[in-house]
Amino acid sequence: DQQVKQNSPSLSVQEGRISILNCDYTNSMFDYFLWYKKYPAEGPTFLISISSIKDKNEDGRFTVFLNKSAKHLSLHIVPSQPGDSAVYFCAASANTGNQFYFGTGTSLTVIP
Amino acid sequence: DAGITQSPRHKVTETGTPVTLRCHQTENHRYMYWYRQDPGHGLRLIHYSYGVKDTDKGEVSDGYSVSRSKTEDFLLTLESATSSQTSVYFCAIREREPLNEQFFGPGTRLTVL
Repeated sequence: DQQVKQNSPSLSVQEGRISILNCDYTNSMFDYFLWYKKYPAEGPTFLISISSIKDKNEDGRFTVFLNKSAKHLSLHIVPSQPGDSAVYFCAASANTGNQFYFGTGTSLTVIP
Repeated sequence: DAGITQSPRHKVTETGTPVTLRCHQTENHRYMYWYRQDPGHGLRLIHYSYGVKDTDKGEVSDGYSVSRSKTEDFLLTLESATSSQTSVYFCAIREREPLNEQFFGPGTRLTVL
């Protein structure tokens, strides 16, 4: 049973606009959340994370929002650039465990 | 970039043959992981290690075994490869404190005919 879900397999956005990628989780024990970016034929690379004690974390053009009551997190990319075109995975873990659970990914295309 | 290498990067094999994939790190990180990536499934954990000779199963461990005799190496073995094990395999490492994120290797594309 998928504990982390990304319900949008793909997203297209115009360059300069905001990209919003969404992720839902079911396990209330998760307290650490991450976003990874993956280009074809490469391994995923870490993008940004957020602890459950926060509801927002920002790093340059990337902001992650966490809504614990809704068990929902989102990644905002502003402004979107063509180089942001990639597959984005969200992941979650519980501080008491060693495993990470990944969503199925969202393929973002930024149109020049 | 974290020092993680995977070998081989590509492999084609036949059903029923044994296959071993190697993950090598130069970071001295405690935790090492093996994932497989398949369309529609994202990344799924096969096995992970939390120290030398300490390993545990992930969600898709059937048909796979692992070994970690040194901190820097984590081996994934398919004892008798099947076509359902055709996938891209990623190794990842993590040092629990102070960073919690995983760093991934470049991947191994395995095709079982």
